[in-house]
Amino acid sequence: GENVEQHPSTLSVQEGDSAVIKCTYSDSASNYFPWYKQELGKGPQLIIDIRSNVGEKKDQRIAVTLNKTAKHFSLHITETQPEDSAVYFCAASHSNAGGTSYGKLTFGQGTILTVHP
Amino acid sequence: DTEVTQTPKHLVMGMTNKKSLKCEQHMGHRAMYWYKQKAKKPPELMFVYSYEKLSINESVPSRFSPECPNSSLLNLHLHALQPEDSALYLCASSLRSSGNTIYFGEGSWLTVV
Repeated sequence: GENVEQHPSTLSVQEGDSAVIKCTYSDSASNYFPWYKQELGKGPQLIIDIRSNVGEKKDQRIAVTLNKTAKHFSLHITETQPEDSAVYFCAASHSNAGGTSYGKLTFGQGTILTVHP
Repeated sequence: DTEVTQTPKHLVMGMTNKKSLKCEQHMGHRAMYWYKQKAKKPPELMFVYSYEKLSINESVPSRFSPECPNSSLLNLHLHALQPEDSALYLCASSLRSSGNTIYFGEGSWLTVV
């Protein structure tokens, strides 16, 4: 089955700096890669996602890049703010030929991001 | 509106109790999921419903019994749980089950005593 490795496990930055979290996956059939932010006591919130036909996607301060050849994808947060502090999870899934992947996300182990004012 | 609503937010139950977790979405999504999350770990898939039919059961013990009464509702019936079942239970939904964006609810914190 799919295996997703996520690094680093913790990341501490100063406000205004950039943060980068990296994930690698094992199943070359994976074609959908979402990123979730989870604040303490809350459910995971989708912040950005990318599909395998796209190499990069941006949404304001957040960007995700995908390298299908190397089987890795990364989350980039620029101009970090204290409210960006949370646990971030990458995930991967794939659709089979019939388009019925049944939404089986495989998550990375998570990165605790702390942004210091 | 991308809202998945879960009730209750907190539940404490004894090992002999029967309780249920409820989940509701009104986004017209036809796939609904239950995930379990232990502290400092990623969510783990338990069940997937697609068009109100159980599509995936990730070898979950029978003390957890899912139910999908209609396309907007998803329940998780709990019976004879163990203390190690204490966790955050997350409901999620997506338009369909074929790789669409999955939206999570805020979760139900379950403590088994």
